[in-house]
Order: sequence, then structure tokens, then C-alpha cells
Amino acid sequence: EVQLVEAGGGHVQSGGSLRLSCAASGFAFSSYSMSWVRQAPGKGLEWLSYISSSSSPINYADSVKGRFTVSRDNDIYALYLQMNSLTAEDTAIYYCARAKLFCRDGSCYSNIYYFDSWGQGALVTVSS
Amino acid sequence: EVVLTQSPGILSLSPGDRATLSCRASQSISSNYLVWYQQRPGQAPRLLIYGASSRATGIPDRFSGSGSGTDFTLTIRRLEPEDFAVYYCQQSGGSLEWTFGQGTKVEIK
Repeated sequence: EVQLVEAGGGHVQSGGSLRLSCAASGFAFSSYSMSWVRQAPGKGLEWLSYISSSSSPINYADSVKGRFTVSRDNDIYALYLQMNSLTAEDTAIYYCARAKLFCRDGSCYSNIYYFDSWGQGALVTVSS
Repeated sequence: EVVLTQSPGILSLSPGDRATLSCRASQSISSNYLVWYQQRPGQAPRLLIYGASSRATGIPDRFSGSGSGTDFTLTIRRLEPEDFAVYYCQQSGGSLEWTFGQGTKVEIK
């Protein structure tokens, strides 16, 4: 069974930093791309970052580019999100998600992924 | 950037009803890019439909997706109590960036 478990959430002051981790199990972690998605209280879903199975390429949403850094350690089945210069607008539940390559009728399409498994989320609260 | 607009914002229906949720893209996208998720209260999102019409593993066949170009639809044939939730569409445009619609809440009438 695929499992993704986030950790590292908590309260932080505005301008501070936090590092989230996501422990993966039940699948060949090194074969999958991963992403981080967040959800502010009472709001919708916002994609934040993508990291390929080999850690290149990596991509970020404009809202976090230059402040957040995604990384992974395939040896220990771990995904990370380093978050710096946090503001109140970063208050949210942060989910890690496995990115599955889209395939249909025997053909797979590079760079088309969807998120087929999600962790339970880690709450990050930034106070100003 | 492709913007996805979901309608209606809230859908009030009874168990056993048919639900029709719309997702409109600001420009034409490949149906391969369109995904639907369900999010129950207090839970993480769950994949329902990918490639506009393919059901994910374990998803009941009362859920179906359709559409092309700019207009996509999620249909729930007969609502079960566990189907009352928020539904999001998402597009994965092949550029390693993803956008979500704002969500449609299906609530009990």
C-alpha cells in the first residue's frame, strides 16, 4: 500500500523558516516524481513544487520561487520542502503527492503527470 | 497560464440524485491534461479521474468524466452519502506546472 506521511509542520514567526519532510513507503520511491501542494484554511488547492525521480528537473510555482526548495533522498524514501522567508500567506496544510506519468492505450506521455497518492498533510501556521 | 473555472460553486442535491460538475479552461487544452479530485472534509484529496475520462483505481463506476477543448464535466450518476464533498479539476499542461479550479462543493439538500 502506498503511504505518504508528512512531518515538520508547526508554528513559526513571519520571516522564519521550516522544513517539511514526507516519508514514502509501499512503492519504488526512486522511480516516481513527487510534488508539494498546499491548501490555505477554507481555500482551494495550490500546486507548489515538482521534483523528478532523479532530482532534475525541478519546478516551482511563482508564489514560492526563490523562497522554497524541494529535495529528495531516494536512499531513505524521503521528500523535503525547505521553506524560508515565511509570511502569513503561507499558512496552510501542506501535502506531498506522488506524480504518476499519464499513459493511455500503451503510450506514455512525457511531462504529463497527475497526483495519484497524497499524504494526510502537515499544518504550517505563520504568525505575523 | 491556463485558468480553470468550476461551476457551480455549490451544488445542493439529495442522495440518489445525479450531479453534473463543470470545469472550463481559459484556453483549449488536451483532454490528456484534465484531472478530477475529490476532497472529503478533513481529508486529503483523492484522485478520481485522469485524462478527462479514465477512472482511477478503486473509483466506483458511478463517477464519469467527459469533455474536450475548454469544457469538461464530472458526472456522479447516483449520489451516495460519501460523495458529498468538494471536487477539484486540475490541468497538467505538460510544462511541469499544475493549476487547479477553485472547487465545487456538493452538499446535501
